[in-house]
Amino acid sequence: TQLLEQSPQFLSIQEGENLTVYCNSSSVFSSLQWYRQEPGEGPVLLVTVVTGGEVKKLKRLTFQFGDARKDSSLHITAAQPGDTGLYLCAVNFGNEKLTFGTGTRLTIIP
Amino acid sequence: NAGVTQTPKFQVLKTGQSMTLQCAQDMNHEYMSWYRQDPGMGLRLIHYSVGAGITDQGEVPNGYNVSRSTTEDFPLRLLSAAPSQTSVYFCASSSRGTSTDTQYFGPGTRLTVL
Repeated sequence: TQLLEQSPQFLSIQEGENLTVYCNSSSVFSSLQWYRQEPGEGPVLLVTVVTGGEVKKLKRLTFQFGDARKDSSLHITAAQPGDTGLYLCAVNFGNEKLTFGTGTRLTIIP
Repeated sequence: NAGVTQTPKFQVLKTGQSMTLQCAQDMNHEYMSWYRQDPGMGLRLIHYSVGAGITDQGEVPNGYNVSRSTTEDFPLRLLSAAPSQTSVYFCASSSRGTSTDTQYFGPGTRLTVL
């Protein structure tokens, strides 16, 4: 079984602070997706990265795909309470099966 | 469009009972899948389907059956429920199931097996 490790598992910070969460694998993958899940709901796609070294920005969120295509990071600038949620990375290792990481549960304190 | 719908939203079963979790999508997606979500373990793939009449096993298929008779529907059957199947179940669909497709998730079914 190919694994995706996410860190940290839990993160609680004050509103206005910056943060970075990580997604790592021992295997190379062709693309990676980041999803956010709010309590009582299903995950919602934030971004898909497909090129090694790629950086994508979505308002205050910056996503980076590692050069070696084994890792990715999500950086949030000036966190807001609305950023609270479970952040999941997901990878298709080329077999039609999407594998999810265990997630980072983020809490932004007003 | 309703997107992906799941019923029921909550369910309590006794050990040994059977039930079917319903999932439907109105986006004409070929790819549909079922996940279970447990604390600290992320989402784990149970079964998936790349089109009507075609299903395959995911990471944790034991104790679950699926069928795909139409493009729209992908029910998940628990034949004899066990406490280990207590979890939140999510159905998802995507256009083709490729690595860059957006997966659209339903709101989930919270199942408790006593």
